[in-house]
Amino acid sequence: RKEVEQDPGPFNVPEGATVAFNCTYSNSASQSFFWYRQDCRKEPKLLMSVYSSGNEDGRFTAQLNRASQYISLLIRDSKLSDSATYLCVVKENTGNQFYFGTGTSLTVIP
Amino acid sequence: DTEVTQTPKHLVMGMTNKKSLKCEQHMGHRAMYWYKQKAKKPPELMFVYSYEKLSINESVPSRFSPECPNSSLLNLHLHALQPEDSALYLCASSQDGLGHGADTQYFGPGTRLTVL
Repeated sequence: RKEVEQDPGPFNVPEGATVAFNCTYSNSASQSFFWYRQDCRKEPKLLMSVYSSGNEDGRFTAQLNRASQYISLLIRDSKLSDSATYLCVVKENTGNQFYFGTGTSLTVIP
Repeated sequence: DTEVTQTPKHLVMGMTNKKSLKCEQHMGHRAMYWYKQKAKKPPELMFVYSYEKLSINESVPSRFSPECPNSSLLNLHLHALQPEDSALYLCASSQDGLGHGADTQYFGPGTRLTVL
């Protein structure tokens, strides 16, 4: 059983489209939730932490549903520069281990 | 500043060589991590140090030897590696060394390792 499940995609969307990624986690005691963005041959970079109340940063909105144990990332008005792999990451309330989803590949097409 | 630095950026080594990867952070973080990442896969945890003590070893072969000389530095010593060990090696750090509650992990740029 995987701790974190993500649809690997790929998602190919036109510029300007809205795209949503979902991620489910298995441990109900999980405490912290994140979306990272990883460009080809680069390190993962923190895109957003995900809070219970949901949070928005410009074109990006993250939601957490604790009852259903999933988190989502919505990207509005997609740009070519949004093309990357998006990693869902979950941390439990004890211990130092962060659990990664498989990543979802996004390509925004002109 | 959320910077984690890693050296070297690229490393090519033979199977009989001994080399070391270095990682540094000055954010006062007390947990530091080594990950291995293959193409099109997520990072795979290798080791975690908490307050300079090894707290997690994910059954990594002994040809990889971690070291945490102080709270800011993390090394990964490599010896007798195999070609399948070629990968991107990522260092990361997070603030809470005891792993209690909410915490955020920051990654260095990685070392791209090729074993011939």
